[in-house]
Amino acid sequence: DIQMTQSPASLSASLGETISIECRASEDIYSNLAWYQQKSGKSPQLLIYAANRLQDGVPSRFSGSGSGTQYSLKISGMQPEDEGDYFCLQGSKFPYTFGAGTKLELK
Amino acid sequence: EVQLQESGPGLVKPSQSLSLTCSVTGYSITSNYWGWIRKFPGNKMEWMGYISYSGSTSYNPSLKSRISITRDTSKNQFFLQLNSVTTEDTATYYCARWITTLDYWGQGVMVTVSS
Repeated sequence: DIQMTQSPASLSASLGETISIECRASEDIYSNLAWYQQKSGKSPQLLIYAANRLQDGVPSRFSGSGSGTQYSLKISGMQPEDEGDYFCLQGSKFPYTFGAGTKLELK
Repeated sequence: EVQLQESGPGLVKPSQSLSLTCSVTGYSITSNYWGWIRKFPGNKMEWMGYISYSGSTSYNPSLKSRISITRDTSKNQFFLQLNSVTTEDTATYYCARWITTLDYWGQGVMVTVSS
């Protein structure tokens, strides 16, 4: 199985701060990577797919980048509503696998 | 709007079978792919398997001998059955639609395996 190593495990950001979350794959996943936000008790919400494509309705402060084995999610200007858990998902090779998650809090 | 809703028992005894239903509205399950995912205590997530628009299935090899995903197209529902459960199957179970990636998810149902 492809291993997804996500970092950091937790992050505290100030209002307006720009932050990044990383996912590293154990092999090339050819940009088949998605990012999700999940708030407590809610279903995961798709933010980014195909490494850098913004899902409809997602604020433009979210962006994704990367290729090969290295990918990142950037939030340009932390907002209170951005608090939550973030995780990545590789859809390149079955079984699809997830990053361990990042807990983002407002400082 | 596409909506998915999981339902099923919240408590299952060890060695028994876990059975969950995913009810889909706003989109036909005869299109695209429909998956089951679970999130363990501690937040690790696992892709369990999917059923396709044609009814074909694919399962995570780690579960292959215990899992079955089926569907009822007349009710626009698909189902998860996991046999011989242990306490390690305690998790929140989600159903989701796959188009390029998992784009719509249900709210999840917490299942505890305990005697």
